Amino acid sequence: EAGVTQFPSHSVIEKGQTVTLRCDPISGHDNLYWYRRVMGKEIKFLLHFVKESKQDESGMPNNRFLAERTGGTYSTLKVQPAELEDSGVYFCASSRGSGYRGTRYNEQFFGPGTRLTVL
Amino acid sequence: AQTVTQSQPEMSVQEAETVTLSCTYDTSESDYYLFWYKQPPSRQMILVIRQEAYKQQNATENRFSVNFQKAAKSFSLKISDSQLGDAAMYFCAYRSVGGATNKLIFGTGTLLAVQP
Repeated sequence: EAGVTQFPSHSVIEKGQTVTLRCDPISGHDNLYWYRRVMGKEIKFLLHFVKESKQDESGMPNNRFLAERTGGTYSTLKVQPAELEDSGVYFCASSRGSGYRGTRYNEQFFGPGTRLTVL
Repeated sequence: AQTVTQSQPEMSVQEAETVTLSCTYDTSESDYYLFWYKQPPSRQMILVIRQEAYKQQNATENRFSVNFQKAAKSFSLKISDSQLGDAAMYFCAYRSVGGATNKLIFGTGTLLAVQP
């Protein structure tokens, strides 16, 4: 079974430009998550999709960030316009379920991340 | 709000020795999950071990075991017989039980070096 994939692996852009990150979850996983790690800090939750619906977007930093998951398959995270503080590693994860019990069922599998550098 | 703290930014261990990574957390919830994730250099993060708060028994997975102290809100990871492949960034994480969200709350990570 293929794992979670992310594209690109690295992106270097100028402040003010737009960048779109893509995540392909494991096939059959309805739940997709975006996280971000700024250098030296903790990994922070951004948002959670269940199929194509946003279940929880409480971690999105501001309206420069737009996440979509059309058709409930892959997801994109667009940053427009990018600022210096957006630099970091963006992780995507997917899980089959997200309900009350069943830890194994809800295990999140992570992609390798996209390293974004804003100059 | 829940928080996770890893107070050791870097640790080092000799091959074949044992090392313990610390993690503390803060929560007002009584039921939750705790995890240790490992991220090797340039590779994706994988789950090492999980603990369900309602279980008193400490989880173990081969050479990896945890010391879960619920009252102290402490969740340390012990790696026995360390191997070169254990070198990685280790993240401690918390997840609530209940509700529809499955989000993980992470600590800042501990970078583990394994010396041959």
